[in-house]
Amino acid sequence: DTAVSQTPKYLVTQMGNDKSIKCEQNLGHDTMYWYKQDSKKFLKIMFSYNNKELIINETVPNRFSPKSPDKAHLNLHINSLELGDSAVYFCASSQGQTVYSPLHFGNGTRLTVT
Amino acid sequence: QQQVKQSPQSLIVQKGGISIINCAYENTAFDYFPWYQQFPGKGPALLIAIRPDVSEKKEGRFTISFNKSAKQFSLHIMDSQPGDSATYFCAASNSGNQFYFGTGTSLTVIP
Repeated sequence: DTAVSQTPKYLVTQMGNDKSIKCEQNLGHDTMYWYKQDSKKFLKIMFSYNNKELIINETVPNRFSPKSPDKAHLNLHINSLELGDSAVYFCASSQGQTVYSPLHFGNGTRLTVT
Repeated sequence: QQQVKQSPQSLIVQKGGISIINCAYENTAFDYFPWYQQFPGKGPALLIAIRPDVSEKKEGRFTISFNKSAKQFSLHIMDSQPGDSATYFCAASNSGNQFYFGTGTSLTVIP
């Protein structure tokens, strides 16, 4: 049973479109994250939610909007997609503001904008 | 600003050899240092982690060495195997609030 699952695995779309990525975790964690991994494999945090409350919002274009309906789900909606948005997006979860609680990642969504 | 610096960017090791990846940080508030292993098409997976109150942690062939005064930590993979070929990320966290990742090391183990 997958701990952190995200859908879809692949997403190919054209510039200007709007798309969403869904994430669910069954670990009972209270904190969820979105990370972006670029072509050089650098992992950059985008957002973090703790119990449905936004706690980290890095410098990300406001075309990106996270939504957390409950603490087990964190979705990412992207408006007006641009070529530079092409990357792999990872959802992750942890036991939040608890020391020594590692991140658990999903398997990623590869977004390609053409 | 890169909170955690990682080197080398890539590493090629013969089967049976020792792979060593180094990381350094500046923020003394960091109190948890995990290493992640990522295979192509997969998400990073926790490999091993250390707290700053110990200088070394070993799990099987994987060892973390931690030098608090130098603000450096490293991953040693003993008896490296082709199946260890992956990208490795070090990370640092401040009380679980946020994780900062190194830039990754692509390890290739040659049979």
